[in-house]
Amino acid sequence: KAGVTQTPRYLIKTRGQQVTLSCSPISGHRSVSWYQQTPGQGLQFLFEYFSETQRNKGNFPGRFSGRQFSNSRSEMNVSTLELGDSALYLCASSIRTGGTTEAFFGQGTRLTVV
Amino acid sequence: GQQVMQIPQYQHVQEGEDFTTYCNSSTTLSNIQWYKQRPGGHPVFLIQLVKSGEVKKQKRLTFQFGEAKKNSSLHITATQTTDVGTYFCAGYGGNAGNMLTFGGGTRLMVKP
Repeated sequence: KAGVTQTPRYLIKTRGQQVTLSCSPISGHRSVSWYQQTPGQGLQFLFEYFSETQRNKGNFPGRFSGRQFSNSRSEMNVSTLELGDSALYLCASSIRTGGTTEAFFGQGTRLTVV
Repeated sequence: GQQVMQIPQYQHVQEGEDFTTYCNSSTTLSNIQWYKQRPGGHPVFLIQLVKSGEVKKQKRLTFQFGEAKKNSSLHITATQTTDVGTYFCAGYGGNAGNMLTFGGGTRLMVKP
């Protein structure tokens, strides 16, 4: 069974540009969550999608947006990039089985804004 | 909003010593999960605790969920170099609904 796939793995962008990151969840998983990981802030929740609907949203500015497609694949977009957006962006898919909702993380996309 | 705090932030131990990381939530949790992230890797699920006062063991790892379901701990007995990594707790609960809130993590370094 394939794991969570995130593309691209690495990205370098310039301030002011926009970026789109992609996440393909494990087959059968309908919930996809996005996290930003930085050395100083740990894992910060961005948003969660379930069946193409955003169910939860973290405390990030409106420059951060996302969507989910009918095949559960998800994208997140960051517009007007700032230097502080440099981070590892992790996507996790999950499914509830036997009372446990385990999040399976992808390898992440490391975004560097210069 | 819900906050999950973890201490210590860093821990250096000599191989063979024990290690404990503590997790505290500002709100009551429906369950708590623990993840391990190896250097350069991504978080990997270790375990989920659901019941008040629950204790679970995985070989040298012991996980506890507090009676009030607001705190948790992970204890590693006789650490090995393979235990190196960052350990995160994460909780569902309170007003966060389906949002998994992560603690800041404890980075464990083991000296051989």
